[in-house]
Amino acid sequence: GENVEQHPSTLSVQEGDSAVIKCTYSDSASNYFPWYKQELGKRPQLIIDIRSNVGEKKDQRIAVTLNKTAKHFSLHITETQPEDSAVYFCAASTGKAAGNKLTFGGGTRVLVKP
Amino acid sequence: GAVVSQHPSWVICKSGTSVKIECRSLDFQATTMFWYRQFPKQSLMLMATSNEGSKATYEQGVEKDKFLINHASLTLSTLTVTSAHPEDSSFYICSAHPFRQGSGYNEQFFGPGTRLTVL
Repeated sequence: GENVEQHPSTLSVQEGDSAVIKCTYSDSASNYFPWYKQELGKRPQLIIDIRSNVGEKKDQRIAVTLNKTAKHFSLHITETQPEDSAVYFCAASTGKAAGNKLTFGGGTRVLVKP
Repeated sequence: GAVVSQHPSWVICKSGTSVKIECRSLDFQATTMFWYRQFPKQSLMLMATSNEGSKATYEQGVEKDKFLINHASLTLSTLTVTSAHPEDSSFYICSAHPFRQGSGYNEQFFGPGTRLTVL
């Protein structure tokens, strides 16, 4: 089955700096890659996603890049703010073929220091 | 739109009892719902996929007789933890995949989670 590795497990940045989280996946058939932000005790919230027919997607301070050949994708947060502090999860899915299941990475705990 | 609710939000029970958790899609129909378990400081681990009108598909290592899943309608799935033990204490989260015509739509919407504590 699919395996998703996520690095780093923790990331501490100064407010205003950029944060980058990287994920690799094993199944070349994966075609959907969402990123979720989870605050303590709350539900994961989708912050951005990318499909395999696109190499990059941006939404204000957040961007995601996808390298299908290397089977890795990354989340970039620019101009970080204290409210960006949370746990971020990447995920991958092969879509309908696998019942639309998501396989999650291990998570990255991001701390933005004021 | 795309709101998923879970009930209860937290529950404390005695060892050996059963607990039922409901997951509802409030403003859309979901042919597929997913149940996850999340231990403190860990990732979401998929337990099972719940399809409306058919038996759930369980992930490897998840006991189907212990975690009973019912998906009776396009807006409701339930997870029953039977004979709960302290090691079942965890954060249980459901997600729902909207029914949409055509292929290629993968997004899942998550419920707020249920914190189960078994004494």
